[in-house]
Amino acid sequence: AQKVTQAQTEISVVEKEDVTLDCVYETRDTTYYLFWYKQPPSGELVFLIRRNSFDEQNEISGRYSWNFQKSTSSFNFTITASQVVDSAVYFCALKPPAGKSTFGDGTTLTVKP
Amino acid sequence: EAGVAQSPRYKIIEKRQSVAFWCNPISGHATLYWYQQILGQGPKLLIQFQNNGVVDDSQLPKDRFSAERLKGVDSTLKIQPAKLEDSAVYLCASSLVPSTTNTGELFFGEGSRLTVL
Repeated sequence: AQKVTQAQTEISVVEKEDVTLDCVYETRDTTYYLFWYKQPPSGELVFLIRRNSFDEQNEISGRYSWNFQKSTSSFNFTITASQVVDSAVYFCALKPPAGKSTFGDGTTLTVKP
Repeated sequence: EAGVAQSPRYKIIEKRQSVAFWCNPISGHATLYWYQQILGQGPKLLIQFQNNGVVDDSQLPKDRFSAERLKGVDSTLKIQPAKLEDSAVYLCASSLVPSTTNTGELFFGEGSRLTVL
């Protein structure tokens, strides 16, 4: 069975602070994919990144960076110099090659000006 | 490129009434998904279509929920009769390739928020 845990229900930071969103997953599959999605107030989930279980290289995209550590089954997401527009609910998801995605319950990030 | 379209955005009904939600995926996307998102939780898959065939409906409460994708394009999700616990956002998503071989991302619509009184 697959499980994704996002222990932080809500995080509040002040603009320009760095913030890390945690994601811990459980799976028996040796091959799997990890995702982060952003859900702004408008409602649609927006894809941010996909990670293959064989690729533990960290990735940076602008102010966003992701730290994948297979040894601890974690796939954490860091926003550097946060902005008000980053306020949203962020979801981590896990997907086996042949199967459906399992989502965590999300972390609500509030960035205050 | 137009995104995933859903309607209605909001619906309020009384328990035991029926409701239908419509979704038009991104053009060319063969796979369509319906998710249920209860407040404070992540999306949970209800049903997945590959073209007009059902791939996975194991989590669909079939005694009250039904879905179809007759021409392999747009889809309708119906609830009849609705219960209080059906209050949620119903998200439609699509992807370009089948989920069984897919490493790609899902494209979501803005969702249909259902309130059952």
